[in-house]
Amino acid sequence: DVKVTQSSRYLVKRTGEKVFLECVQDMDHENMFWYRQDPGLGLRLIYFSYDVKMKEKGDIPEGYSVSREKKERFSLILESASTNQTSMYLCASSYSGGTTDEETQYFGPGTRLLVL
Amino acid sequence: KQEVTQIPAALSVPEGENLVLNCSFTDSAIYNLQWFRQDPGKGLTSLLLIQSSQREQTSGRLNASLDKSSGRSTLYIAASQPGDSATYLCAVSTLYNNNDMRFGAGTRLTVKP
Repeated sequence: DVKVTQSSRYLVKRTGEKVFLECVQDMDHENMFWYRQDPGLGLRLIYFSYDVKMKEKGDIPEGYSVSREKKERFSLILESASTNQTSMYLCASSYSGGTTDEETQYFGPGTRLLVL
Repeated sequence: KQEVTQIPAALSVPEGENLVLNCSFTDSAIYNLQWFRQDPGKGLTSLLLIQSSQREQTSGRLNASLDKSSGRSTLYIAASQPGDSATYLCAVSTLYNNNDMRFGAGTRLTVKP
């Protein structure tokens, strides 16, 4: 079974702090994604990466950066946390091409971040 | 820009009922469409994935259909159970970038015993 893990389930941070959210997948997937989920808005893509050291902006990259130094790990960085970044953050990974099952995105359990 | 809408936002049914969840999308140039399940406070689990060339997919009591021309998909759940209570999300990947997945806001389903 594919496993996507996220470093924390809950985080509480202060405004202005630098925040690191870590995501690790164990299926050698090329693609990894960071989303945020807010009530009534669904999931919105922040960044995705299709290979080591490669990244592309999603819909809402402002205030965030990412790092992918190893294939299995994708980090989301909040350079200076703000209260409007309080949200549920979800990481996902997927394989490029192949069968229907292989194109599915597999999600981690999420990190609920509260910025005070 | 692709927009995905799910109606209703919430649905409550008695156990045993068959039900249909709806998803609509504005741009028919899609790569695939997925239905996910999300339990409270948890991540998403993929239920069914339909490629753009397919009309439906089935898994157990679940059947998902796709009508690209009308921009619609339905998720049919047969003989609902309390364990089916969750939020169901629809997501479409665009033809131009299959990593670009657009999600609906979800339908929160409650199945009452």
